[in-house]
Amino acid sequence: EVQLVESGGGLVKPGGSLRLSCAASGFIFSTYSMSWVRQAPGKGLEWVSSISSSSSHIFYADSVKGRFTISRDNAKNSLYLQMNSLRAEDTAVYFCARPLTMTVIEGNGFDSWGQGTLVTVSS
Amino acid sequence: IQLTQSPSSLSASVGDRVSITCRASQGISSYLVWYQQKPGKAPDLLIYAASTLQSGVPSRFSGSGSGTDFTLTISSLQPEDFATYYCQQLNSYPLTFGGGTKVEIK
Repeated sequence: EVQLVESGGGLVKPGGSLRLSCAASGFIFSTYSMSWVRQAPGKGLEWVSSISSSSSHIFYADSVKGRFTISRDNAKNSLYLQMNSLRAEDTAVYFCARPLTMTVIEGNGFDSWGQGTLVTVSS
Repeated sequence: IQLTQSPSSLSASVGDRVSITCRASQGISSYLVWYQQKPGKAPDLLIYAASTLQSGVPSRFSGSGSGTDFTLTISSLQPEDFATYYCQQLNSYPLTFGGGTKVEIK
């Protein structure tokens, strides 16, 4: 059974940093691209970032480019999101997501999601 | 690529046929998927490649369209279908979602 478990969320002041983790199990992690998607309270879904299986291709939403860094450790079956210079508008539940097929672009969407971890940016 | 979903909300009764549309600002071939999300939960993949039913999804759900115009149809609304539905394009980065359609009980 595919499992994705996020951790690392919490309350942080504007300008602060936070590192999210996503522990994956139940599939061959090293063969899948992975992504982060967020959802602000009461709002819709927003794609944040994606990373290819070997970390050779990385993409970010304009809203986080230059502030967030996605990475992965295939030996540890883990995905990360380093978030710096956090703003109030980054407040959201952050989900890690696995694509149905191994790649994201021209793929078939995300069939596996974690439960999400809440990040609150407030003074 | 912007995705415009309509309506943003709708009220319907059990047994009704419901359709939700998603329009892309440029052609995305068939690289469009639909999700269902219930409060406090992660989204569930319903339809991929615009019209292919994800494994385990009831056959009352169907998708159609290609290029810029897409539709999600629920043929006979069931109590468990009251939720928010999102489209997403996977044609190119940045990935984008539609604004969502909340399906409520009339």
